[in-house]
Amino acid sequence: AQSVTQPDIHITVSEGASLELRCNYSYGATPYLFWYVQSPGQGLQLLLKYFSGDTLVQGIKGFEAEFKRSQSSFNLRKPSVHWSDAAEYFCAVGGANTGFQKLVFGTGTRLLVSP
Amino acid sequence: EAEVAQSPRYKITEKSQAVAFWCDPISGHATLYWYRQILGQGPELLVQFQDESVVDDSQLPKDRFSAERLKGVDSTLKIQPAELGDSAMYLCASSLSTGGANVLTFGAGSRLTVL
Repeated sequence: AQSVTQPDIHITVSEGASLELRCNYSYGATPYLFWYVQSPGQGLQLLLKYFSGDTLVQGIKGFEAEFKRSQSSFNLRKPSVHWSDAAEYFCAVGGANTGFQKLVFGTGTRLLVSP
Repeated sequence: EAEVAQSPRYKITEKSQAVAFWCDPISGHATLYWYRQILGQGPELLVQFQDESVVDDSQLPKDRFSAERLKGVDSTLKIQPAELGDSAMYLCASSLSTGGANVLTFGAGSRLTVL
């Protein structure tokens, strides 16, 4: 079965420090991978996506993620965190095995930014 | 930027009452999804429409939940009767089509509290 694991429930990062959020997936075919961000009480906003090609993908707000097939990972990174980045981050996987657009989400990682 | 509209944003109801949520997808998006997000968890797909047809409702509790998209545009998700365990955020999303690499755009969600 398809699944996504986000091992960190909470992460606290100082403003200006670098950030890495972990995501591991289980998928029986070539995956499509996504990172979404959710502010409190809001819907999900797409940060970036990987469909094919270059395994390092750039997204909005200065985020990037790297697809590593050998490790079944798609970790999200940002070189310098801003206070406005505090939110919940969800990794998701989709593809042919799940009808392409039936995304399976992880349980999320809550990012706290300290001054 | 085009948005997915949802209403109401917040709904408080007592158990055994009926509730309904409405979603208007981005114009031209053929595929519409309803996801449920329980507090502290990732979103889980309830139902997926392609135009007016249901593509996937395998996770929809059909004894109490129903969803329709009569004209292939906007959609309504109904719960009758509501139970305490239905308290969650109900997210609507839309995409251009089901095939291939498309991106889901989410609405702001409808937060349901069942007392």
